[in-house]
Amino acid sequence: GQNIDQPTEMTATEGAIVQINCTYQTSGFNGLFWYQQHAGEAPTFLSYNVLDGLEEKGRFSSFLSRSKGYSYLLLKELQMKDSASYLCAVRGSGGYQKVTFGTGTKLQVIP
Amino acid sequence: GAGVSQTPSNKVTEKGKYVELRCDPISGHTALYWYRQSLGQGPEFLIYFQGTGAADDSGLPNDRFFAVRPEGSVSTLKIQRTERGDSAVYLCASSPGGGYPKNIQYFGAGTRLSVL
Repeated sequence: GQNIDQPTEMTATEGAIVQINCTYQTSGFNGLFWYQQHAGEAPTFLSYNVLDGLEEKGRFSSFLSRSKGYSYLLLKELQMKDSASYLCAVRGSGGYQKVTFGTGTKLQVIP
Repeated sequence: GAGVSQTPSNKVTEKGKYVELRCDPISGHTALYWYRQSLGQGPEFLIYFQGTGAADDSGLPNDRFFAVRPEGSVSTLKIQRTERGDSAVYLCASSPGGGYPKNIQYFGAGTRLSVL
């Protein structure tokens, strides 16, 4: 089975940096995704990691360590519009495409 | 279409009634997924289609839930004898298919189902 853990809530200040952690225990691994979800809206894709290391995309970066079952999403230069839930999701191994989502981390950005 | 379209956006029904939720995926996407999301939770997997066939329906909670995708494009999630516990947002996502390395899922805005 799949087990994904991430903090329930976080608060950070506008302009600062925040790191959202995700740990997972899965029967197989074929990629980890981060999605952003504003209240009442659809999840939108942020990043994808399948190999160890850091992937950078503008203000957002995502890191993966497969041996530790660990990922983080790093948000720099926080803006008020970054207030949202951030979902960590893991895809199982092989050609199987099922993705399991964590419960999400609700980030509040304050002035 | 430009994105994943779900209709209706909101559905209110009475306990015991039958409902259908529709998903129109991104044109050309062969994979389609249904999820259920309750307040404060992440999306919970229900079923995954590759083309017309259900590749994995292990997330369907019971036999009141059924989904079809007869022509490999539009999908319908059907819920019989609705119960109050079925109230949630039902999300649909599509992706290019298993042959693509990232095979990113793109989500629709969801259908908010309320069972009274």
